[in-house]
Amino acid sequence: QLQESGPGLVQPSQTLSLFCDVSGVSVSTGGYAWTWIRQSPGKGLEWIGYIYHSGSTHYTPSLRSRVTISIDKSQNQFSLELNSVTAADTAVYYCARGETSRSSGALFDLWGQGTLVTVSS
Amino acid sequence: SSELTQPPSVSVSPGQTARITCSGPPLSNQFTFWYHRKSGQAPLLVIYKDTERPSGISQRFSGSRSGATGTLTISAALAEDEGDYFCQSVDSSDMVVFGGGTKLTVL
Repeated sequence: QLQESGPGLVQPSQTLSLFCDVSGVSVSTGGYAWTWIRQSPGKGLEWIGYIYHSGSTHYTPSLRSRVTISIDKSQNQFSLELNSVTAADTAVYYCARGETSRSSGALFDLWGQGTLVTVSS
Repeated sequence: SSELTQPPSVSVSPGQTARITCSGPPLSNQFTFWYHRKSGQAPLLVIYKDTERPSGISQRFSGSRSGATGTLTISAALAEDEGDYFCQSVDSSDMVVFGGGTKLTVL
């Protein structure tokens, strides 16, 4: 199970911070890509990035300068920080568990319910 | 805009077959993955690696890929199949890409 948590309202230019609590599996388990994905109103899903248990991260190029994904093995959770937000960052944010490989690409087999974050003053 | 293109909506009568397509350059040499999201629920993986079905997914769901187009087929459609369907792949830089989503209506 994955469950997102965090503020539902963030002011422009501030930092969006979300947590994903993981249960039933350890984030320390190798082979998984702990992932953030979002969906802005009227748009499709957008992959933000993921982190492996080693701490290695991969981010989408369009957000790379503003995003940090971290992992907390003691709390069995991972987190998202997106700084300098604008209204364009208003979206439903999902956390997910992924599996990646050179030969097969990537798939996401467990998802949270999603949490709406609105950027507004 | 998305690298993967899906029709915004598809309608199907109960018991009939629905087909949802996903087209784009990544699919010329990468697998297609499909997710179903019912209203208010978390997305669910229904097809992986073009044609494989995860455990617990109905046999009514099947997938295929030809050229740069992947297709999700839902046979004998039920009301419970309604919702949004998203395709997903990886691009030439190993970045994850999604389609814009297709809203399936069963009526």
